Amino acid sequence: GQNIDQPTEMTATEGAIVQINCTYQTSGFNGLFWYQQHAGEAPTFLSYNVLDGLEEKGRFSSFLSRSKGYSYLLLKELQMKDSASYLCAVSGDYKLSFGAGTTVTVRA
Amino acid sequence: GAVVSQHPSRVICKSGTSVKIECRSLDFQATTMFWYRQFPKQSLMLMATSNEGSKATYEQGVEKDKFLINHASLTLSTLTVTSAHPEDSSFYICSARRGEVRNEQYFGPGTRLTVT
Repeated sequence: GQNIDQPTEMTATEGAIVQINCTYQTSGFNGLFWYQQHAGEAPTFLSYNVLDGLEEKGRFSSFLSRSKGYSYLLLKELQMKDSASYLCAVSGDYKLSFGAGTTVTVRA
Repeated sequence: GAVVSQHPSRVICKSGTSVKIECRSLDFQATTMFWYRQFPKQSLMLMATSNEGSKATYEQGVEKDKFLINHASLTLSTLTVTSAHPEDSSFYICSARRGEVRNEQYFGPGTRLTVT
């Protein structure tokens, strides 16, 4: 099975940077995903890591260390619209297991 | 793109009735689709994996006779909640996997089910 941990809530100021950590224990590993989910909506894909290192995509970056079972999502130049829940999901046996999500609140 | 649609987006039904939810991949073929359930302020929980032309694989604790899944074509999977009860009220989300290499899933917009 999968055990995925991420913080419940984070608050940051508009224009700042926030890092959301995710640790996992998995019986199989095919990659790690980060999704953004606004209330009442389905998740939208942000990033995918299968090899160690940093993947950068605009204001969002994601890092993976497979040996440590650790990932983080970095959100830069925060905007109000970034207020949402961010889900860490691990693919094992080609199925996704989700963490409980981190609610990020961006304040002016 | 990779667009997945769900229908209906919202449904209210009476206790004891059945509800069917459709999930379609609009611009790609999906040999595998997944059904998730999400209760308020909780994460997505995988209910079952649906493969085209074969029986669905259900996660532990999910009643296969209550949640009927049919994956009749490469672009359509349906979830039927039979004899619905108020505790089945939830947000049901499907996803479709487009390729094997990246193992990426594309999510539908979700269906809000309320059982009265």
